[in-house]
Amino acid sequence: SAVISQKPSRDICQRGTSLTIQCQVDSQVTMMFWYRQQPGQSLTLIATANQGSEATYESGFVIDKFPISRPNLTFSTLTVSNMSPEDSSIYLCSVEQAENTEAFFGQGTRLTVV
Amino acid sequence: GENVEQHPSTLSVQEGDSAVIKCTYSDSASNYFPWYKQELGKRPQLIIDIRSNVGEKKDQRIAVTLNKTAKHFSLHITETQPEDSAVYFCAAAPGNTGKLIFGQGTTLQVKP
Repeated sequence: SAVISQKPSRDICQRGTSLTIQCQVDSQVTMMFWYRQQPGQSLTLIATANQGSEATYESGFVIDKFPISRPNLTFSTLTVSNMSPEDSSIYLCSVEQAENTEAFFGQGTRLTVV
Repeated sequence: GENVEQHPSTLSVQEGDSAVIKCTYSDSASNYFPWYKQELGKRPQLIIDIRSNVGEKKDQRIAVTLNKTAKHFSLHITETQPEDSAVYFCAAAPGNTGKLIFGQGTTLQVKP
C-alpha cells in the first residue's frame, strides 16, 4: 500500500487567485494522477503527472489552468489558476505502483472559491 | 475515449438483502475494472477489482462479474449491513495507462 499526504486539506480562496495542492507519497510510485470531484458527483481525471516531463491532460483540462509538476517519484503538485467559483470542488491525487493495480487516493483538498 | 455508465444512482435495501450495481463501458481495450467505496467526507477505497481474463471474483460478501462481450460488469453485495451504506463507484482502465474512468456512482442505503 501507499500512504499519501495531501495538503492543504481545505481552503477558501478569492476568485482570480491561484492555489497549489501538494501530494507526497511515502514510497516511490510509478504513476500519479489528479482527479476532481465536484460536490455529489463522480471523480473526473484531470491529468496524469509524468515524472520529469509535462503532464498528460484529459479532454477539457489544459495546462494553463491546471499546471502540474512532478519532480520525482514521490511528489507532485497541482495548481488551480485564476480561480472562479466553478472551480469549487474536491481535488484528489492518486497513485499506483503499476498500471492496472490498486489506486490509492489522498484525503483530498476541498476548495471553495468565493 | 472510454465512457462508463453506472446504474442505479441510488439503491435502498433492507439489512440482510442483496444489492447489485451495474456498469457498462465503451472501450474494448479496457482490461481492468475496480470498484471503490467512498464514505461521506472520506477518500475512495478499493473494495474489489477484476481483470479482463477473469469472469468472476469473490471476496467474502462481495463479488464482481465481468462480461467482456457485452462490455458490462456488476458488483454484488450479499447479506448487506448498515456499514455498507456509502457511495460506490465502478471504474474502467483503458489500455495500460493506469488512469481510471469512473462511473457516476451509486448511493447505497442499507436500512436496519
